[in-house]
Amino acid sequence: NAGVTQTPKFQVLKTGQSMTLQCAQDMNHNSMYWYRQDPGMGLRLIYYSASEGTTDKGEVPNGYNVSRLNKREFSLRLESAAPSQTSVYFCASSLTVETGELFFGEGSRLTVL
Amino acid sequence: AQSVAQPEDQVNVAEGNPLTVKCTYSVSGNPYLFWYVQYPNRGLQFLLKYITGDNLVKGSYGFEAEFNKSQTSFHLKKPSALVSDSALYFCVPDRNNRLAFGKGNQVVVIP
Repeated sequence: NAGVTQTPKFQVLKTGQSMTLQCAQDMNHNSMYWYRQDPGMGLRLIYYSASEGTTDKGEVPNGYNVSRLNKREFSLRLESAAPSQTSVYFCASSLTVETGELFFGEGSRLTVL
Repeated sequence: AQSVAQPEDQVNVAEGNPLTVKCTYSVSGNPYLFWYVQYPNRGLQFLLKYITGDNLVKGSYGFEAEFNKSQTSFHLKKPSALVSDSALYFCVPDRNNRLAFGKGNQVVVIP
């Protein structure tokens, strides 16, 4: 029972490079989320998907795109990475957006040089 | 709108002593409040939530929280702290079905 799985766990990029963070959940949840965590800033919501086929912006969507590939998978893409995107990224899922009980992945640490 | 304040940057407590992590809220309407914990180098884990009903909410790992409307508080408590409770704790309001995580409180349990 894996829960929420994120890949990769660590990544170093150069400014301007692109990459995609992958997230998959095996709990048959409808809603999925991407957060970033920065020292002194807490967790901030980047994008979320309330259900398969929908995505919405969170607090800090600029510089990111997402794809809800199917019910299980929700990917986050950085088209042209910037040093300001150096952060720890967390994917989460919940049964619905109303339940408030999020299950988090272990995080992906991204460094942009 | 719902917001919370966790007034102390770090909480230090000796192992075996009661642990309290404070949270006060300001809301319009009925508050939906959650506690999450983040252990070192891990993702966050749900501890408990208050929606409606009993003011005393019991959660995972022996934690509980009391919703106090008169004091607008939702403090997290554990009767006897363990070293393994050292972590970052988040009091989280629900804002239109989106959880608003702040910076959290660091808890250090001293052996």
